[in-house]
Amino acid sequence: DGGITQSPKYLFRKEGQNVTLSCEQNLNHDAMYWYRQDPGQGLRLIYYSQIVNDFQKGDIAEGYSVSREKKESFPLTVTSAQKNPTAFYLCASSIDGGSDTQYFGPGTRLTVL
Amino acid sequence: QKEVEQDPGPLSVPEGAIVSLNCTYSNSAFQYFMWYRQYSRKGPELLMYTYSSGNKEDGRFTAQVDKSSKYISLFIRDSQPSDSATYLCAMRASGGGADGLTFGKGTHLIIQP
Repeated sequence: DGGITQSPKYLFRKEGQNVTLSCEQNLNHDAMYWYRQDPGQGLRLIYYSQIVNDFQKGDIAEGYSVSREKKESFPLTVTSAQKNPTAFYLCASSIDGGSDTQYFGPGTRLTVL
Repeated sequence: QKEVEQDPGPLSVPEGAIVSLNCTYSNSAFQYFMWYRQYSRKGPELLMYTYSSGNKEDGRFTAQVDKSSKYISLFIRDSQPSDSATYLCAMRASGGGADGLTFGKGTHLIIQP
C-alpha cells in the first residue's frame, strides 16, 4: 500500500525535552510538509521540503527543526524552545512543490506534561 | 481580516439533506481551490480540486467557485452519517510555491441518522 505513515500516534513528553516525530512516505513524492493543527485553528505550516537535503521554514518554524536526508523521510523535532508544543501534528507530501494535491498522514498527537 | 474565513459550526443536519459548506477569502490572487475532509483524529483527505471559477461534480459532491464574490462552496447531496467530519477549504495563488497553500479553520459537520 502506498501512503504516508506517522509514528507514534500519541506521544507524551515532559516539558523541556526535545521530541522527534517520524514521517515516512512511499509515494515517491519530492515534496514533504509539516503542519500543526490546534483546536479552532486551521492548518499552519511549520516546515516544508521540495527536495532531498533542502528545506524551508513555514509560518511557525520557531522551536522546530527538520531534516531531509532521504526522499522518503522528513522527521520533525519539537525542541524545548517551542513554547506551546501540545498539538496535533500532520505530515503531508506532494509530487512536487508546485502541486496542490497534498496527501496527509494520520497525524501524531503530542502532549507535553 | 483573515485571508480565509470558514464557519466552524457545528452544522447539524438530518440524513438525506443537502449540505452547503462555504468559505470566503480576501486574496483575489487565489486561483486554485480545494476541499479536504478530516475525520476525528485522522489526517485530512482531498475531496475536490477546482481551478478558477465554475463548478465541479464528483458523485454526491459539488464544488463551486465564485471568484467575483471571493466565495467557494461544497455541496453534499443525499448526506449520510458517514459524511460527519470536519471539512477544510484550502486555496493557493497562481505561481505560489510549496508554502502557498492557505487553509480555512474547518467546519464541523454532523449528519443525524
